[in-house]
Amino acid sequence: NAGVTQTPKFQVLKTGQSMTLQCAQDMNHEYMSWYRQDPGMGLRLIHYSVGAGITDQGEVPNGYNVSRSTTEDFPLRLLSAAPSQTSVYFCASSYSSGGGAGELFFGEGSRLTVL
Amino acid sequence: KQEVTQIPAALSVPEGENLVLNCSFTDSAIYNLQWFRQDPGKGLTSLLLIQSSQREQTSGRLNASLDKSSGRSTLYIAASQPGDSATYLCAVTSGNTGKLIFGQGTTLQVKP
Repeated sequence: NAGVTQTPKFQVLKTGQSMTLQCAQDMNHEYMSWYRQDPGMGLRLIHYSVGAGITDQGEVPNGYNVSRSTTEDFPLRLLSAAPSQTSVYFCASSYSSGGGAGELFFGEGSRLTVL
Repeated sequence: KQEVTQIPAALSVPEGENLVLNCSFTDSAIYNLQWFRQDPGKGLTSLLLIQSSQREQTSGRLNASLDKSSGRSTLYIAASQPGDSATYLCAVTSGNTGKLIFGQGTTLQVKP
């Protein structure tokens, strides 16, 4: 099992550029989510999805878009990159049992630098 | 708004000690609480998940407890080893929104 796969692992962007962070899971999980991790701020939820076609905002959604066209994939789009979006991004997935996420499985992270 | 706090932010202990990490949350309407481990430069690994109806969960040398009414959870690590050195994070799933909110973590160093 590959688990949760994130690509790319590293990316450098210039201010104003757009890009997509890819996330795929092969565990047939309904729940998928994106977090960013910054020093002193912990992990903050950007967007999450409880199933194909359903997405919702987390704590820090501004500047990011998501879609969930399949159960397996949950891409995160940066529309116009800003230096404040320099961070490590984690995708996570779990089974969903009605009230929310179950045991969460994380990808290895994508380190993004915006110049 | 749910807030999750972990104290202490850092902890250094000699090998073999039993230790307790603390996690508190402001809204008791949670669906579950999870403890994670994160090694430097890596993703998070789930250690224990406690459903809101449970009081504790155990896995090997780890034991996590949950007291919803007081908004607290503890992670007990028995007979600590240098390999336990990592950052430990707790996270609660809000019972109302399904959102998973993390604390900032406790960085543990176990010295040989």
